[in-house]
Amino acid sequence: GAVVSQHPSRVICKSGTSVKIECRSLDFQATTMFWYRQFPKQSLMLMATSNEGSKATYEQGVEKDKFLINHASLTLSTLTVTSAHPEDSSFYICSAEHGHNQETQYFGPGTRLLVL
Amino acid sequence: GESVGLHLPTLSVQEGDNSIINCAYSNSASDYFIWYKQESGKGPQFIIDIRSNMDKRQGQRVTVLLNKTVKHLSLQIAATQPGDSAVYFCADFTGGGNKLTFGTGTQLKVEL
Repeated sequence: GAVVSQHPSRVICKSGTSVKIECRSLDFQATTMFWYRQFPKQSLMLMATSNEGSKATYEQGVEKDKFLINHASLTLSTLTVTSAHPEDSSFYICSAEHGHNQETQYFGPGTRLLVL
Repeated sequence: GESVGLHLPTLSVQEGDNSIINCAYSNSASDYFIWYKQESGKGPQFIIDIRSNMDKRQGQRVTVLLNKTVKHLSLQIAATQPGDSAVYFCADFTGGGNKLTFGTGTQLKVEL
């Protein structure tokens, strides 16, 4: 099956620093990737849709200048949390759309971010 | 706004029993539904899906039922095993879009 990886799997950083999270589709090309955030004991909330070669589309309430998304190739999207604060501590999960089938998304294993 | 939600936040079952996890959705335009399993510290894992033109679909040990009249779907797990312990989410696609909306999740605990 299609595999999506994320790196790093967990990261601890100091408040005010920036953290980059990578999402890769390992055996397929993904024109579209999605970034979700999940707080403890809660559901996944879509943050943004990452489109290869164009600007990301952010959901309402998500600051685009704080959560920078770059989708430079068909197999890689990155999410950079800029000037991270403790309230940004969360589980960040990406998914990749397989080919042109909008209904088929494969999820990555997630990245645990802890901001001290 | 439109949302997909669950009735029970936690479900405890005995090993070997059947589990039923419920989900209510509010968007009548939703036409495709997916159940995901999420183990602690991992990403969601696809379990089974169903389209709005169906009311039942079966997989290996799992069955999804869809009742469009009351906007309700359920996931049935037969002969629940310890490895089934996880959080289960329903999610839906609204027709014409590629965004998934996740429900609130149900924690399934399997007791030995």
